[in-house]
Amino acid sequence: ETGVTQTPRHLVMGMTNKKSLKCEQHLGHNAMYWYKQSAKKPLELMFVYSLEERVENNSVPSRFSPECPNSSHLFLHLHTLQPEDSALYLCASSQDPEDIYNEQFFGPGTRLTVL
Amino acid sequence: DAKTTQPNSMESNEEEPVHLPCNHSTISGTDYIHWYRQLPSQGPEYVIHGLTSNVNNRMASLAIAEDRKSSTLILHRATLRDAAVYYCILRPYNTDKLIFGTGTRLQVFP
Repeated sequence: ETGVTQTPRHLVMGMTNKKSLKCEQHLGHNAMYWYKQSAKKPLELMFVYSLEERVENNSVPSRFSPECPNSSHLFLHLHTLQPEDSALYLCASSQDPEDIYNEQFFGPGTRLTVL
Repeated sequence: DAKTTQPNSMESNEEEPVHLPCNHSTISGTDYIHWYRQLPSQGPEYVIHGLTSNVNNRMASLAIAEDRKSSTLILHRATLRDAAVYYCILRPYNTDKLIFGTGTRLQVFP
């Protein structure tokens, strides 16, 4: 248990569906992250939120829409996805992103399949 | 972003030491060397990090070459639970971005 939970753990959706991924951290951290891990590709950073403000958007298509209502919760809203968006979506949190000793704590991920 | 190079895979026997190498010849003076690992069906977890000096913690040791162009993660006694993909990452001092590579898949045999 890392203190970062993600729901659902598995999700299958059609290309016309709208769904949301949820992440919650119980560590009192100030920053939260979304990563994408496709088969046989390195983890890719998608979004970074610090103190509930988006500070990084790594050229992610608009069909992925993040939301950070408070420092403990992070959502990734999905709509009109493509089959190539099938991947493991990982959430992470950290205490202070400006601290060089800052380590990121990852959740177990949501395995997404787009049909 | 500075790049790291790691072997795709390595093998070890249980109870033996493991040395996981990482080359980062384009490292800049302000890049920190971070190691994370990803166990099967889990998200990555932090292992260790360093700048110039060798570092030890309860999980592993990090040996950094004098010119900082390479480093080695040392697991002193491998266990079956250490089987994972190990990522060597260069993190600039002024950002918390982690740029993951493909890592080294470590297999540990009983």
